[in-house]
Amino acid sequence: AQTVTQSQPEMSVQEAETVTLSCTYDTSESDYYLFWYKQPPSRQMILVIRQEAYKQQNATENRFSVNFQKAAKSFSLKISDSQLGDAAMYFCAYRSYTGNQFYFGTGTSLTVIP
Amino acid sequence: DARVTQTPRHKVTEMGQEVTMRCQPILGHNTVFWYRQTMMQGLELLAYFRNRAPLDDSGMPKDRFSAEMPDATLATLKIQPSEPRDSAVYFCASGVGAGPYEQYFGPGTRLTVT
Repeated sequence: AQTVTQSQPEMSVQEAETVTLSCTYDTSESDYYLFWYKQPPSRQMILVIRQEAYKQQNATENRFSVNFQKAAKSFSLKISDSQLGDAAMYFCAYRSYTGNQFYFGTGTSLTVIP
Repeated sequence: DARVTQTPRHKVTEMGQEVTMRCQPILGHNTVFWYRQTMMQGLELLAYFRNRAPLDDSGMPKDRFSAEMPDATLATLKIQPSEPRDSAVYFCASGVGAGPYEQYFGPGTRLTVT
């Protein structure tokens, strides 16, 4: 089974600054999808951004962008101009191209300091 | 605005009682997932269905947990008998079976077993 590793249990960032959350994964597949989910205190899981492995261009969604390094099996999330509302648990997830199951990391708790 | 719904949102019960959690996936979604989230174990996949058929329930304690999809609009997760260690937040998620789809999560059921 694929494994997803988030090595930073907790991170903090000053409001308006930039922070990068790390994620690595282990797979023997060449085609797959990667996701970042946000879970605020409300517990509702929300998709932040997705990346298709066959696309070389890094995905961006407003202040959120990824650094996808396929050879290194690394998928980090960069949050620019951090806002108080960005405070949440962030989960990295993997899904194979042909499979249905998602594999989640253990999460990184992000604190935004005013 | 299509969303996954879960009932109840909160449940407090005594050890030994039966607990049933319900999930209504988004109309048109053919995959349904059940997750359990605790501080200690993080997000665990319990079971998932595709086209109402169970594909994997290896994450579920078989002796007390059961998951079913009586029809395309309802998924249930049942615990009988419940134990204090089952206290957790249980999430249902749904998605479509092809492409770089995300999982859409419900708001979760917070279960407390005393």
